[in-house]
Amino acid sequence: GENVEQHPSTLSVQEGDSAVIKCTYSDSASNYFPWYKQELGKRPQLIIDIRSNVGEKRDQRIAVTLNKTAKHFSLHITETQPEDSAVYFCAANRNSGNTPLVFGKGTRLSVIA
Amino acid sequence: GAVVSQHPSRVICKSGTSVKIECRSLDFQATTMFWYRQFPKQSLMLMATSNEGSKATYEQGVEKDKFLINHASLTLSTLTVTSAHPEDSSFYICSASRQGARNTEAFFGQGTRLTVV
Repeated sequence: GENVEQHPSTLSVQEGDSAVIKCTYSDSASNYFPWYKQELGKRPQLIIDIRSNVGEKRDQRIAVTLNKTAKHFSLHITETQPEDSAVYFCAANRNSGNTPLVFGKGTRLSVIA
Repeated sequence: GAVVSQHPSRVICKSGTSVKIECRSLDFQATTMFWYRQFPKQSLMLMATSNEGSKATYEQGVEKDKFLINHASLTLSTLTVTSAHPEDSSFYICSASRQGARNTEAFFGQGTRLTVV
């Protein structure tokens, strides 16, 4: 089955700096890679996702890159703000509603004002 | 976006009792729903896949007789934690995807914080 590794587990950045979180996956059949932001005690919120037919996707300050050959994908947050502080999870699955997401272990991002 | 509603959001129960958690897809049909468990400061771990009209599929190490899953309709799956013990205290969360759509984004319920005392 799929295995998703995520690094780093914790990340502290100064406000305004960029943050990068990296994930690798094992199943070459996986083709859907979402990123979630989870605040304490709340449900994960989808912030961006990418499918295997593209290499990069951007939404304002957030971007995701995908390298299918190397089986890794990364989240980039630019101009970080204190409200970006949360736990971020990457995930992967085959693009099917019948297939569960496999999550990375999460990255606790702290943005220091 | 699609909405998945989970109830209750918090529950405290005595050791040995059972607790039922409901997961509803409010504006779409879901033949498959997923149940995850999240311990403090850890990731979401898949417990089981709930299939409408058939038996759930459990992940290795998850006791099917302890975590009963029923998916009787296309919009409702329930998870019952039977004979709960303190080690079952966790954050339980369900997810579902809209069937038949190109975008298979997973929508999560609000989660249920279970505390067994």
